[in-house]
Amino acid sequence: IAGITQAPTSQILAAGRRMTLRCTQDMRHNAMYWYRQDLGLGLRLIHYSNTAGTTGKGEVPDGYSVSRANTDDFPLTLASAVPSQTSVYFCASSDEQGNEQFFGPGTRLTVL
Amino acid sequence: GQNIDQPTEMTATEGAIVQINCTYQTSGFNGLFWYQQHAGEAPTFLSYNVLDGLEEKGRFSSFLSRSKGYSYLLLKELQMKDSASYLCAVRSSGGYQKVTFGTGTKLQVIP
Repeated sequence: IAGITQAPTSQILAAGRRMTLRCTQDMRHNAMYWYRQDLGLGLRLIHYSNTAGTTGKGEVPDGYSVSRANTDDFPLTLASAVPSQTSVYFCASSDEQGNEQFFGPGTRLTVL
Repeated sequence: GQNIDQPTEMTATEGAIVQINCTYQTSGFNGLFWYQQHAGEAPTFLSYNVLDGLEEKGRFSSFLSRSKGYSYLLLKELQMKDSASYLCAVRSSGGYQKVTFGTGTKLQVIP
């Protein structure tokens, strides 16, 4: 693979279910991010990780959790999905300087 | 906190020049970015400004004035494929790479 990939591409989920969105990069970037993008609100940071083994909360972290066991993978988990979590989710990565973020293709999630 | 303003929509003619403005308010400014996002796709990086002045990259240029909290993205020789949303984003200094995105300007290029 080259760059950053996300899975699944899209998902319809019943409210209350648990869901993990996957993100993998092969650029050896230390920093990784999860954003959600909603119409009229732009991209909002959910969680981030500066390096493997560390994570932090972004602007809208409630209802989401992340882990960073290694450099390449940064999964995002919704423990109990709610309809307000219907959104397009983008994973991104950057080097330490962070002067350019590379985005994955996105996951379109619908919670019913 | 941070506040970023940019026009919601713009229309321009193929072959023309268009300027997309972005104003921001932030504490601890540490860089401004422009990203392009085509409908249904991921954002892609266009430019990065951290010092005042103009950065030129092919048909695209980005300008920054830190004292005015102002930036613009200039697109020359517009092509139909330039129809997209253009996202202004500001990085603030802090413990992590905190980048806040504006809501984007949807540009429509017409023949």
